[in-house]
Parts: sequence; C-alpha cells; structure tokens
Amino acid sequence: GAGVSQSPRYKVAKRGQDVALRCDPISGHVSLFWYQQALGQGPEFLTYFQNEAQLDKSGLPSDRFFAERPEGSVSTLKIQRTQQEDSAVYLCASSLGGGPTDTQYFGPGTRLTVL
Amino acid sequence: AQKVTQAQTEISVVEKEDVTLDCVYETRDTTYYLFWYKQPPSGELVFLIRRNSFDEQNEISGRYSWNFQKSTSSFNFTITASQVVDSAVYFCALSEVRGGFKTIFGAGTRLFVKA
Repeated sequence: GAGVSQSPRYKVAKRGQDVALRCDPISGHVSLFWYQQALGQGPEFLTYFQNEAQLDKSGLPSDRFFAERPEGSVSTLKIQRTQQEDSAVYLCASSLGGGPTDTQYFGPGTRLTVL
Repeated sequence: AQKVTQAQTEISVVEKEDVTLDCVYETRDTTYYLFWYKQPPSGELVFLIRRNSFDEQNEISGRYSWNFQKSTSSFNFTITASQVVDSAVYFCALSEVRGGFKTIFGAGTRLFVKA
C-alpha cells in the first residue's frame, strides 16, 4: 500500500515569500504530525492533528506557521513571509491511532531553502 | 520534562563488526513509549521498534537487538555483524502518555559502515 507522500520534495523560496507544503497520509490514519528537521539534528515537533482537529500546535515556532487538515486526510503546512531560519526539511508522519504513542510512519520530507 | 540524549554523534565501524548505539532518556511519566528510527541517505525515517515502559524484555530482530533498562533510563540498540547498508542516521525517540502529543527525538547517531 501507499505510504505517506509529501509535495513538493524540494522548494526554494525567496525571503518574504509564502510557501505551502502538502502531506498525504496513509489512508485511514487518524493522526498526522508535522516536524521540522534542521541539518544534522533530529526532527522537532511542530503540530498534531487527530482527524481534522488540531490538538497541539505548541511546536509552531511563530505565527507565520499555520497548518490545516480540513477533511481529516490531506494536510497543508503554510509558512508566511519565509525567513532564512525557516530553511529545513519538513517531515510529515501519520499513525493509525490517536496520540503520539502509536507508531508513526514518515514521508520523505520537503526540503525548504529560503534565499 | 522529556529529553532524549544520544551522546554518540558519529560512529565508524568496519563491516561485520558489532556496534551499539546509546540512548538515554528523561521522563516524569510512568507510562511512555520509546522508538528507534533509521534515516538512510534518502532521508525518509524508517520505523525500527516501539517499546512501552512496562515491557523491559529485550528484543531481537535478525541482526538488530534492543536493550531496555528502566533503572538507567536507557534504550540501547545493537547491530550485530554490521553491513554497509546499515550506514544511516539512527534516532531514538520518546513519547509520554501524559505528555501531550509530542514525540521527542534525540539528535541522532550517524553510523558509517566501511567495507
């Protein structure tokens, strides 16, 4: 079966531009997570959805970051007025059950470079 | 507070050697889950194992084995008879039942297996 997919795989943005990153989770998975992974670091939690409800957005670094999952499947992470420090790989993961204790399956990530 | 420490930044071994990757965690919760993920050069995190805090039984899966010791808050990962294909970054992660929806990852250990 299909795994988690993300698009685009690579995105180059000029500072100040808005970007939108898409995540298609595994079909039927209730939970969806977004992470930010800086070069040489482990993934850092950004936000969590259970179906369409965003239950935790405590990891979003600023109000320029916004995520949605309106129908409980596909999710979009939007970054407004991108800054150079936003350059990172953005990972999406989904899991069958609710909460973070279930096994998460990761997508290939979107590498964002802000010039 | 949750914390995961992977003190080994990089390890280099020769093929067929055994190698152990260390993971030490901190948590105040009595119920939690620990994970190991592999991130090959392609970038996608691959799930290896999930272990809950009540199950201290060591686990073996082929050339992989895991040693969970609550007394030392460690969850170490051993690869026996390493192979070049084992070269990757390995992440240890922690999720608490009462810690909200975050999964905390360590900084990762980069393993080089030379032929």
